[in-house]
Amino acid sequence: DAGVIQSPRHEVTEMGQEVTLRCKPISGHDYLFWYRQTMMRGLELLIYFNNNVPIDDSGMPEDRFSAKMPNASFSTLKIQPSEPRDSAVYFCASSPSTGSGPEAFFGQGTRLTVV
Amino acid sequence: DAKTTQPPSMDCAEGRAANLPCNHSTISGNEYVYWYRQIHSQGPQYIIHGLKNNETNEMASLIITEDRKSSTLILPHATLRDTAVYYCIVRANFGNEKLTFGTGTRLTIIP
Repeated sequence: DAGVIQSPRHEVTEMGQEVTLRCKPISGHDYLFWYRQTMMRGLELLIYFNNNVPIDDSGMPEDRFSAKMPNASFSTLKIQPSEPRDSAVYFCASSPSTGSGPEAFFGQGTRLTVV
Repeated sequence: DAKTTQPPSMDCAEGRAANLPCNHSTISGNEYVYWYRQIHSQGPQYIIHGLKNNETNEMASLIITEDRKSSTLILPHATLRDTAVYYCIVRANFGNEKLTFGTGTRLTIIP
């Protein structure tokens, strides 16, 4: 398996523009997580899905952020409109669901810069 | 609310064992202890996890105290490539499988 695949790897956009980040989880994994990492706040969990259903979105900073998982092999994180303070590295991770404490696998991240 | 407490930074000489402590005094019976690390500019990488028994794999050993309120990650022969931020996380195996990262320990391996 190629692991968790995120695209794009780098994104530079102007303030006010819509940004869409994409994630392909590992096949067969039931859980998908979106994280944001900044120097100031570290790794923050934004939202996670189980079997394509959003379970906890309490980490989503505001209504400008939305996430979807239309099927088991694809998820998007959208920011509309984007602001400079959204600049960060966004990570997607997936994990299987078993009773034995499965590990989560992370993608390489998308580095977002909003100017 | 922080579920784990780790020292912010540690140094270790190359070739020596690195022992990274973690306190998780409020851990629940269905929560596992996970360790991840993040090397600069990369996504976090899984290292090891355990419930109550000590665990060992090709990367590290995990020692969990009998009361499960603390644990230690051991890198037996640290190399320069082990320089990273190490995160200790508690996570349920069912019901609430949220994976929440704290601030971690920045481990620096010194030549």
